[in-house]
Amino acid sequence: DAKTTQPTSMDCAEGRAANLPCNHSTISGNEYVYWYRQIHSQGPQYIIHGLKNNETNEMASLIITEDRKSSTLILPHATLRDTAVYYCIVRVANNAGNMLTFGGGTRLMVKP
Amino acid sequence: SAVISQKPSRDICQRGTSLTIQCQVDSQVTMMFWYRQQPGQSLTLIATANQGSEATYESGFVIDKFPISRPNLTFSTLTVSNMSPEDSSIYLCSVGTGGREQFFGPGTRLTVL
Repeated sequence: DAKTTQPTSMDCAEGRAANLPCNHSTISGNEYVYWYRQIHSQGPQYIIHGLKNNETNEMASLIITEDRKSSTLILPHATLRDTAVYYCIVRVANNAGNMLTFGGGTRLMVKP
Repeated sequence: SAVISQKPSRDICQRGTSLTIQCQVDSQVTMMFWYRQQPGQSLTLIATANQGSEATYESGFVIDKFPISRPNLTFSTLTVSNMSPEDSSIYLCSVGTGGREQFFGPGTRLTVL
């Protein structure tokens, strides 16, 4: 699976949009971009995933560049409960049968 | 979705002893995974546990140290054997349901003295 690069940490003001970047310049054509987050003392939680097109769900939006070498996770109105470590993962196959390889992630701190 | 429970939620153990962690899922799943998260670190996959076959271990993890059982499609155990303080970590069970996401248990926080 392709390696990802994320900033170690970011801050965001409560109520503002949080934009979390991820670089995956070696991604191959059959690899999907997944985002998970881990709130303190809990197991990781799925947020969103995509292949080429931008995706949106009730939690977040995922913007993937046209060359697919980078992506951005957007939390449109961050709350204090969004404080967590966010992991960007690229994975072959769009099914949960494949393991997830976690990188360092971005520690997002939402501040009042 | 899948709801996963783990037992124990935390434990403090003496070095040289072993601890068995249980993972129970509320539905039948094909793939189960065991991860380790050392203090302040990201998650590292230990092994993949498939029902009816031997677990597949990742590089750096061996069966003698981390034996795994998978007796049916809703249950698995991970044993941490002959523990040392370096084994102090959070151990997480994860499952794949055939959909596109994996679900994680709450983790077992292990401290080895």
